Amino acid sequence: QVQLVESGGGVVQPGTSLRLSCAASGFTFRSHGMHWVRQAPGKGLEWVAVIWYDGSDKYYADSVKGRFTISRDNSKNMLFLQMDTLRVDDTATYFCARWGDDKRLDFWGQGTLVTVSS
Amino acid sequence: EIVMTQTPLSSPVTLGQPASISCRSSQSLVHSDGNTYLSWLQQRPGQPPRLLVYKTSNRLSGVPDRFSGSGAGTDFTLKISRVGVEDVGVYYCMQTTQFPHTFGQGTKLEIK
Repeated sequence: QVQLVESGGGVVQPGTSLRLSCAASGFTFRSHGMHWVRQAPGKGLEWVAVIWYDGSDKYYADSVKGRFTISRDNSKNMLFLQMDTLRVDDTATYFCARWGDDKRLDFWGQGTLVTVSS
Repeated sequence: EIVMTQTPLSSPVTLGQPASISCRSSQSLVHSDGNTYLSWLQQRPGQPPRLLVYKTSNRLSGVPDRFSGSGAGTDFTLKISRVGVEDVGVYYCMQTTQFPHTFGQGTKLEIK
């Protein structure tokens, strides 16, 4: 069965960096694009970034463009989100999600919490 | 950016009764390929989101048939024919027609 497991969250200070990981299993990872979506505490969902199945293309939300970088390692079935120059308003649970057929985000991980605080 | 607006934001429903959630987009969600990429997701308390419906009206495998999606262009609806306790949570519409993908604010479904 499809499994997505995020890791790398924690408490960091504003202006610092953090790298999130998402370990994928149960499907052919190299055949699927992948997304990051975040959710601030008690708030709604915000799409963050997408990467094509082969890493050839990427898109970002304006709120993270220039600070966050999405990447993947298909040899290890891993998705990453490098987050630089973190701000207090980046505090959220970050979910990775699989990009399935018909542009659907069909499987989601449990999420990893990032807290940016001084 | 396409803005997604859901109504209502809160919906108290009696067990066994139907529920309906509306979602309106600020521009048409019809893609250049002719398809409309509007999804509905459910988020139960303490859980990650779960995809229910994609491409406006297609239920993901394993989703109960009491969930149904409809709509076109800029107006969409999720209906639950008979609400059960397990349906409590927040429901989001999401468009994947265009980047950046965007979500509605969420509709909290609760039992009266």
